[in-house]
Order: sequence, then C-alpha cells, then structure tokens
Amino acid sequence: DSGVTQTPKHLITATGQRVTLRCSPRSGDLSVYWYQQSLDQGLQFLIQYYNGEERAKGNILERFSAQQFPDLHSELNLSSLELGDSALYFCASSVGGWGTEAFFGQGTRLTVV
Amino acid sequence: EDQVTQSPEALRLQEGESSSLNCSYTVSGLRGLFWYRQDPGKGPEFLFTLYSAGEEKEKERLKATLTKKESFLHITAPKPEDSATYLCAVPTSGGGADGLTFGKGTHLIIQP
Repeated sequence: DSGVTQTPKHLITATGQRVTLRCSPRSGDLSVYWYQQSLDQGLQFLIQYYNGEERAKGNILERFSAQQFPDLHSELNLSSLELGDSALYFCASSVGGWGTEAFFGQGTRLTVV
Repeated sequence: EDQVTQSPEALRLQEGESSSLNCSYTVSGLRGLFWYRQDPGKGPEFLFTLYSAGEEKEKERLKATLTKKESFLHITAPKPEDSATYLCAVPTSGGGADGLTFGKGTHLIIQP
C-alpha cells in the first residue's frame, strides 16, 4: 500500500459527460501529480500541484482541469468525454519535486462508452 | 525533447535465469533516473533512484546501474513473482514541466 488513495476505482460513463476523479496523497506529501496511462501511449504526465498551487503542466487537454484543496487532496475533472479518454488515471504524491520519491495510487479506470 | 527508450519490449525467462533490462535516455541535465515496477491494473511501485554515472543500487534480486547515457536493471536468479512491467523515467527538463517522462516499459515474464 503506497498510502495514496484514489476514488473511484472504476468509472463507466457516456461520451459528452463530465467526471471527477479524487486523490488523497500520502500524509505529509505536498506535491500531487496526475498521469494518464493508455495502451498505446504509456504513462503520460498531465499536471502537478504543490501545496495548493499549480506548478507544472504536461500533456493535459483543455477539457481537463485539476485542483488541489487546502487539505492537499486533489481532484481531476474531465469534461466533454470522448471514447479516446478511456484510460487508467493515476495520481502520485511526493514530499517535494521529482528529486524525492514519488508514490502512485492504484488508479481509476475510466471507460467512456 | 526528452526521450526514454526501453528494451526489450518483452522478455520471457525461466526461473533462475538472470538477465538485464535496458533504459536509454536523452535529456539535458539529468536530475535522476527512476525505476518503477508495475503489476497489471496497479499503480507503479517505486524501486530505485540513481543520480550519477557509476551509481548502483540493489534490492533483493534487482540491481540498477547508471551510465551517462543508459541505465540497466539486472535481475539475478528471478522468481515468478518478479513478473511485471518495469518502467524507467527521468524528470522532464525545461519548459516549466516538472513531471516524469516514462519509457514504455519492459514486460517481464518469469516462467517456473
């Protein structure tokens, strides 16, 4: 158990809908990262938050957004969903930046039908 | 552009048959190289961080090494429970991004 909690584990929704994925980082970790993993693309960095502030953006679509709350949990919002958004979405947390160990949650499997 | 290439894509070994996985990287200013293990449907599990050429780290049957252009994950006398996908990654350099660039992984199968 990495200590990073993601909910829900599975999500099935229709095209055009909006969903919210939730992540609780390990106790004491200030950084939260979101990743998307699909069969053809591998693990792709989406966005990072550090202590409530957006710190870095990767390959995140404009239809996607995220935030980190004062209690440090984070939410990833995916809207206007398309079939191609079906993937595993992982959250990871670390004390600081990537120079420190990062721990991944078990992921949310999103299926868009 | 940062690039991480892993080889082979897949590797099937007999139990006890030692081998090595390769991770080649192209980054400007390496800030560490990370190895993760991922089981099907699970999140990546952190294994090692290497920071400088010549550095080595070990954990049970795994040993990771680093040169200026590549890293190796050596697996000695593997067991079936070592079957997993092994991922390497480097911190993204420049452009304001601070995530990890992952390779596509080596899918390792250890047959009893």
